[in-house]
Amino acid sequence: GQSLEQPSEVTAVEGAIVQINCTYQTSGFYGLSWYQQHDGGAPTFLSYNALDGLEETGRFSSFLSRSDSYGYLLLQELQMKDSASYFCAVTGDTGRRALTFGSGTRLQVQP
Amino acid sequence: GAGVSQTPSNKVTEKGKYVELRCDPISGHTALYWYRQSLGQGPEFLIYFQGTGAADDSGLPNDRFFAVRPEGSVSTLKIQRTERGDSAMYLCASSLGTGEETQYFGPGTRLLVL
Repeated sequence: GQSLEQPSEVTAVEGAIVQINCTYQTSGFYGLSWYQQHDGGAPTFLSYNALDGLEETGRFSSFLSRSDSYGYLLLQELQMKDSASYFCAVTGDTGRRALTFGSGTRLQVQP
Repeated sequence: GAGVSQTPSNKVTEKGKYVELRCDPISGHTALYWYRQSLGQGPEFLIYFQGTGAADDSGLPNDRFFAVRPEGSVSTLKIQRTERGDSAMYLCASSLGTGEETQYFGPGTRLLVL
């Protein structure tokens, strides 16, 4: 089976930096994705890591350590509009494209 | 271009009824996925199509759930004899289908079974 652990809630202030961690246990692993979801909205793709290291996309960066079964999403220069739920998701192996999602981290950005 | 669209946006039905949920993927995307999301949880995989065929249906909870994609584009998720526990947001996603690429999600259909 597959399971992912991430904090349920994080609070931060505008302009700050926040890190959302994700640890996973999977029978196979191909890559780790991050999605953002606003209340009532669809999940929106943010970032993807298949190899160890840091991927940077604007204010968002994502990190993966395959040996530690661990990744994180880093959000910089937080804005009020970043208040949303953030999900990490694993692709188990190359033959199985289904995403297995964590339960999500609700980020609240305060002024 | 247009994203993934899903209809209806909301569906209210009575226990025991049959429902159909429709997904129209991004044009040119050969891979299509159905997920189900309960409040406060992440999406759970149901089924994945590559073209017209179901490449992986391991997430379907039981035989009341069925999905088709007859022409390799639009897909319909069908739920027979609905139960109150089927109430959830049903999300559809599509991707190019050429490799391990990004899945783009539609706005979902919120199903409520009374």
